[in-house]
Amino acid sequence: NAGVTQTPKFQVLKTGQSMTLQCAQDMNHEYMSWYRQDPGMGLRLIHYSVGAGITDQGEVPNGYNVSRSTTEDFPLRLLSAAPSQTSVYFCAARDSRTDTQYFGPGTRLTVL
Amino acid sequence: KNQVEQSPQSLIILEGKNCTLQCNYTVSPFSNLRWYKQDTGRGPVSLTIMTFSENTKSNGRYTATLDADTKQSSLHITASQLSDSASYICVVSGGGSYIPTFGRGTSLIVHP
Repeated sequence: NAGVTQTPKFQVLKTGQSMTLQCAQDMNHEYMSWYRQDPGMGLRLIHYSVGAGITDQGEVPNGYNVSRSTTEDFPLRLLSAAPSQTSVYFCAARDSRTDTQYFGPGTRLTVL
Repeated sequence: KNQVEQSPQSLIILEGKNCTLQCNYTVSPFSNLRWYKQDTGRGPVSLTIMTFSENTKSNGRYTATLDADTKQSSLHITASQLSDSASYICVVSGGGSYIPTFGRGTSLIVHP
């Protein structure tokens, strides 16, 4: 099992560009989420999904969109990148039986 | 508001020494508390989970304690190794929310 995979690992964007961060899991967990991690701020929840077709906002959703068409995939879209979105982004899938979150390796995004 | 506070913010110790990390929370009602280890450049990985009825749980050289009355948890690392250098994140579930509350983490550096 690959667990949770994220692509790309690194990305540099210019202000105003859009892009999609990919996240996939092979554990068949219903709950998935996106976090951003900034120095001194810890992990902050952007969006989450409790199953295919269901998404909701987290703590810092502005500037991001998500969709969940399948159990496996949970892409995060940046609509118009801003320097404030420079961060490391983590996707996670949650095992509801053990309440354990399995995190992907992260995507380091820089917006110039 | 559900909050998780961790201390110290950072810690430097010599290899072979013991250390204790603290986590205080206000999340109520309490469901469970989990400690994650995050190596530099990687996603967090679960170390241990504590439920209301558990006072102590060990995972190798890592021992977590929970005092649900005072809403405090600690993570004790015995005979530290260089590979223990990482960020340790306390995460509490409950508070009437499906979304767990993350602490900002303690950065541990183990020097040879």
